[in-house]
Amino acid sequence: GAGVSQSPSNKVTEKGKDVELRCDPISGHTALYWYRQSLGQGLEFLIYFQGNSAPDKSGLPSDRFSAERTGGSVSTLTIQRTQQEDSAVYLCASSLAGGLGSEQYFGPGTRLTVT
Amino acid sequence: AQKITQTQPGMFVQEKEAVTLDCTYDTSDPSYGLFWYKQPSSGEMIFLIYQGSYDQQNATEGRYSLNFQKARKSANLVISASQLGDSAMYFCAMREPSGGYQKVTFGTGTKLQVIP
Repeated sequence: GAGVSQSPSNKVTEKGKDVELRCDPISGHTALYWYRQSLGQGLEFLIYFQGNSAPDKSGLPSDRFSAERTGGSVSTLTIQRTQQEDSAVYLCASSLAGGLGSEQYFGPGTRLTVT
Repeated sequence: AQKITQTQPGMFVQEKEAVTLDCTYDTSDPSYGLFWYKQPSSGEMIFLIYQGSYDQQNATEGRYSLNFQKARKSANLVISASQLGDSAMYFCAMREPSGGYQKVTFGTGTKLQVIP
């Protein structure tokens, strides 16, 4: 079946511009996560959606970052007034609802470069 | 304190040998899940193995096993009979309940290189 998809795969933008990154989770997965991975680093948690509950935004690094999830499916991560330090790979993951044992299925990521 | 600590930034192993990748974790919650993921140079994150905090037996999945030592709060990944395709970054992660959410925290990773 279809996995998690993300678009675009690569995005180059000028400093100060806004960008939108899209994630299509696996159908039926109610949990959706966004992470940021800088070159050679681990995964930095950004935001987590679970069903219709209020999202856990505790990982968003600044108010320039926001995300929404429409209809419990597709999610968009928006970065306003991009800065060079925003350059990274942005990974989306989804998992089934419920137990602590639900593994995450990751998308291929969007590589964002801010020039 | 770091939630997940991976102290080995890089490891080498001879092909066909076994290797252990270290992971320690920190939580005060009795319920949690521990995961290992593999990230090849192509970038995709691949789920390898899961261990629940209440599981009595160590988890195994093919050549992967998890050496779970609850009292020491360690969850080391053991890869047996290493193959060249095992060369990748390996991340340990923990999911725990937190404020009504289920937070997932990743370690900084270990880069494994398998030598022919």
